[in-house]
Amino acid sequence: NAGVTQTPKFRILKIGQSMTLQCTQDMNHNYMYWYRQDPGMGLKLIYYSVGAGITDKGEVPNGYNVSRSTTEDFPLRLELAAPSQTSVYFCASSYSTAGALTDTQYFGPGTRLTVL
Amino acid sequence: EDKVVQSPLSLVVHEGDTVTLNCSYEVTNFRSLLWYKQEKKAPTFLFMLTSSGIEKKSGRLSSILDKKELSSILNITATQTGDSAIYLCAVDPPSGTYKYIFGTGTRLKVLA
Repeated sequence: NAGVTQTPKFRILKIGQSMTLQCTQDMNHNYMYWYRQDPGMGLKLIYYSVGAGITDKGEVPNGYNVSRSTTEDFPLRLELAAPSQTSVYFCASSYSTAGALTDTQYFGPGTRLTVL
Repeated sequence: EDKVVQSPLSLVVHEGDTVTLNCSYEVTNFRSLLWYKQEKKAPTFLFMLTSSGIEKKSGRLSSILDKKELSSILNITATQTGDSAIYLCAVDPPSGTYKYIFGTGTRLKVLA
């Protein structure tokens, strides 16, 4: 099992450019998440998904979009990149059944994004 | 507003010392509290605690939830340089949201 994989590992964008951060998991987890981590800060939830075709906003969704067409993939789209989006982005996945405590989240290695 | 606060923000100790990290939460009807260790890259799971109050242990690490005090502690005994990391606490809020709330973390440095 590769677990949770993310690409790219690093990226530099110019203001106004767009890009998609890729996230794939091979553990058949139903829940997937996108977080950002700014220097010296904890993780902030951007979007999450409880299954294919279902997504919902987290704490800081502005400037981002997601889709979940398959169980395995959960790409994060940045439209019109801004310097405030400079951060490390982590994708995570977990398994849960309705009403049950969710299992631990497994994190990908992260994508370091700089917007200049 | 739901909030998770960790203390101290940073800590420097020597090998062999015992450390206690604190996580306080203001989250109504939370379901579980999780501890993660973050070294250079992605956080890795340490413990999940529920309101049952059962202590969790793994080697030199242990953690317990104090439901009355709305807090949790993570203890590390006989620290080693490999324990140097950021320790993150997260709270899993009420059923149906799965919007984990993370604290800012405690940065631990263990000197040889």
